Amino acid sequence: DIQMTQSPSSLSASVGDRVTITCRASQGIRNDLGWYQQKPGKAPKRLIYAASTLQSGVPPRFTGSGSGTEFTLTISSLQPEDFATYFCQQHNTFPRTFGQGTQVQVK
Amino acid sequence: EVQLLESGGGLVQPGGSLRLSCAASGFTFSTYAMSWVRQAPGRGLEWVSAIGGSGGTTYYADSVKGRFTVSRDNSKNTLYLQMNSLRAEDTAVYYCAAEGYFFAWGQGTLVTVSS
Repeated sequence: DIQMTQSPSSLSASVGDRVTITCRASQGIRNDLGWYQQKPGKAPKRLIYAASTLQSGVPPRFTGSGSGTEFTLTISSLQPEDFATYFCQQHNTFPRTFGQGTQVQVK
Repeated sequence: EVQLLESGGGLVQPGGSLRLSCAASGFTFSTYAMSWVRQAPGRGLEWVSAIGGSGGTTYYADSVKGRFTVSRDNSKNTLYLQMNSLRAEDTAVYYCAAEGYFFAWGQGTLVTVSS
């Protein structure tokens, strides 16, 4: 199975901050990676797919990059509605595997 | 509008069974593989199972293999998850999601396994 290692597990930030979350795959997955945002009590929501393609309707302050084994989600200027938990997931092979999640909290 | 709506969750005793359903609308259901993903209370996301668009191919996480069965009825645009021999560690919110980078998720249904 492909292991997805996401870091950090949590971070504290302020509105306007630039935030970067990293996801590392245990083997190469080309660009077969998605990023998801989840708020408490809600289903996850897709932000980015194919490593860098922005989901329609998602603000352009969210960007994804990387390929192979190293991937990054960047929020260029954190907004109040962005405080949430973020997950990466590989779509290269079964079983699908998720990163452990990054909780973005208010500093 | 794309929608996925799960149902069938509830409280069940250890060793019991439950069948979850996921009704899809707003997209051509039969052309998409579908997955089940679960989230235990306060924990991260765990992929559980997937099924191809025609239903001919299925995949399972090791944690549920031999106990859970995924199926679909394309005439009803509905995905199913039959869960047998349930354990306390199966307690979670269960989501269905459309493959294609999980472009759509249901709202989730809570399964609680407890005596």
